[in-house]
Amino acid sequence: GDSVTQMEGPVTLSEEAFLTINCTYTATGYPSLFWYVQYPGEGLQLLLKATKADDKGSNKGFEATYRKETTSFHLEKGSVQVSDSAVYFCALSGASGGGADGLTFGKGTHLIIQP
Amino acid sequence: KAGVTQTPRYLIKTRGQQVTLSCSPISGHRSVSWYQQTPGQGLQFLFEYFSETQRNKGNFPGRFSGRQFSNSRSEMNVSTLELGDSALYLCASSWWKGGNTEAFFGQGTRLTVV
Repeated sequence: GDSVTQMEGPVTLSEEAFLTINCTYTATGYPSLFWYVQYPGEGLQLLLKATKADDKGSNKGFEATYRKETTSFHLEKGSVQVSDSAVYFCALSGASGGGADGLTFGKGTHLIIQP
Repeated sequence: KAGVTQTPRYLIKTRGQQVTLSCSPISGHRSVSWYQQTPGQGLQFLFEYFSETQRNKGNFPGRFSGRQFSNSRSEMNVSTLELGDSALYLCASSWWKGGNTEAFFGQGTRLTVV
């Protein structure tokens, strides 16, 4: 079945450092790819998405490019802030078409930004 | 507009009991999905409802069930609770069915089974 693999962390960085969180996936067909963020005590918020190969999703300084050849969707940010501390989830859907079986999530990466 | 509302936020139940969780989607959204989040298994898809019909179901036992009402509000029920059912249950709504439309998540219901 479909699966998503991402580093679990915690990942600890200093403020203004460059961030990369790796995400790779296994899926048949052509999934849509997502990054969600979860702040303490909150539900998940969609951070960005890409629906086809070579698409780049971006939001709030975060970017990720859908790479079909490497089945990857790595999350990057040039300069992180303390407020970016959260758990980040990579997810896919719709690999089989029609969005069946909901979203498949990675285990989540706990990001800690130190001032 | 109001976001996805889940009630209650916290719940403590005893093994063997049953529980019902509620989710009110964003106004105008017709699809509601449920997920279970645990430290060990992460986020796992339970089921999706669209226009009062269950479209998809994840790999969970029949003790987990749900329904959707004509106003798109949804409930999920877990019968004969087990300790392993302790988790954060998240509801997500989207305006249309399937996973390619943006899903908006509620804050979740934290269920503790003792």
